Amino acid sequence: NAGVTQTPKFQVLKTGQSMTLQCAQDMNHEYMSWYRQDPGMGLRLIHYSVGAGITDQGEVPNGYNVSRSTTEDFPLRLLSAAPSQTSVYFCASSYGLGSSTDTQYFGPGTRLTVL
Amino acid sequence: QQQVKQSPQSLIVQKGGIPIINCAYENTAFDYFPWYQQFPGKGPALLIAIRPDVSEKKEGRFTISFNKSAKQFSLHIMDSQPGDSATYFCAASYNTDKLIFGTGTRLQVFP
Repeated sequence: NAGVTQTPKFQVLKTGQSMTLQCAQDMNHEYMSWYRQDPGMGLRLIHYSVGAGITDQGEVPNGYNVSRSTTEDFPLRLLSAAPSQTSVYFCASSYGLGSSTDTQYFGPGTRLTVL
Repeated sequence: QQQVKQSPQSLIVQKGGIPIINCAYENTAFDYFPWYQQFPGKGPALLIAIRPDVSEKKEGRFTISFNKSAKQFSLHIMDSQPGDSATYFCAASYNTDKLIFGTGTRLQVFP
């Protein structure tokens, strides 16, 4: 199993550009989520999904869109990039919400810089 | 609103020392407290976790101590090694399973 994969690993955008960060998992996990990691701020939840066709907002959703058309994929879209979105983005997945002890498996991250 | 407060921000110890990282939470509904370990350039990975019905859990050199009345929990690393140098995050969740992370502690273990 590849686990959780993310592409690209690095990306530089100009203010106002749009892009999609890709996330895929091959563990048949229902629950997927996106976090951003900033120095001194820890990991903050952007959006999450409890299954195909179902998404919800996390702590910092503004400026980001998500969709979940398949169990495997959970892309994160930046519609109009801003310098405040410069961060490292992590995708994570777990079996579900049925038990709060479900381990979340994280991808390797995408380092995004917005100029 | 920061629901999980983590300290210290950084920690430097010598090999063999016992670094201790502390976390405090506010929401008494939290029922799951994991610690994640993150190496540079990698995503976080689950290290050890505890539920509030026990006061301590050990896995190898890693121990979680849990104080329900004080709403605090801590990670102890026994006989620390240079390979333990990483960033450690505490977290908490409740029935909805959304993990709330602390701000992280960067640990450096020198030979």
